Amino acid sequence: AQSVTQLDSQVPVFEEAPVELRCNYSSSVSVYLFWYVQYPNQGLQLLLKYLSGSTLVKGINGFEAEFNKSQTSFHLRKPSVHISDTAEYFCAVNGNAGKSTFGDGTTLTVKP
Amino acid sequence: DTAVSQTPKYLVTQMGNDKSIKCEQNLGHDTMYWYKQDSKKFLKIMFSYNNKELIINETVPNRFSPKSPDKAHLNLHINSLELGDSAVYFCASSRDRDSGNTIYFGEGSWLTVV
Repeated sequence: AQSVTQLDSQVPVFEEAPVELRCNYSSSVSVYLFWYVQYPNQGLQLLLKYLSGSTLVKGINGFEAEFNKSQTSFHLRKPSVHISDTAEYFCAVNGNAGKSTFGDGTTLTVKP
Repeated sequence: DTAVSQTPKYLVTQMGNDKSIKCEQNLGHDTMYWYKQDSKKFLKIMFSYNNKELIINETVPNRFSPKSPDKAHLNLHINSLELGDSAVYFCASSRDRDSGNTIYFGEGSWLTVV
């Protein structure tokens, strides 16, 4: 069984401030971890993913995430956010062939 | 070119009706999915097909019936629509069943049952 917990349902932040969106997971097998972003009225698109190797993963739009096996976490960070980063962010875990489990999402609101 | 396209984008219909949502991907992927996103933005997988074969069938009422005529198409037919079926339905695809693959989503189909 696998599960994902996004610890914050809403994160408001001012423009140019740093942000961290938290994600914890559980799985009985080796995992692959993903962050997806959903802009208003659109589908989800990949921000970044961790498959193996370096635990620090860099993605699009200046986002990065760190895989921490001991804490079973995969937190997403950006050092300086823009208004255009306002969106819904989903953490996902793939442990079983072809099946992804998504977290409940974190709404990031960037204020001017 | 749209990688995963689904139609219609918006659908308003009455309770008890039957409706279909069509999906096509031009990425050459083997695996396709249907996801449901409710009003709270929670995203749940409904079905997955790999090369036209059903591989994931979550706990979904049997009023929902997916059909994959070929590996580039995955349609969703819903019988006897209920108010609780109102949601955004996303079609998606991935290269194959490997768990490391990225999932590519369509733009979504907004279904409102009145």
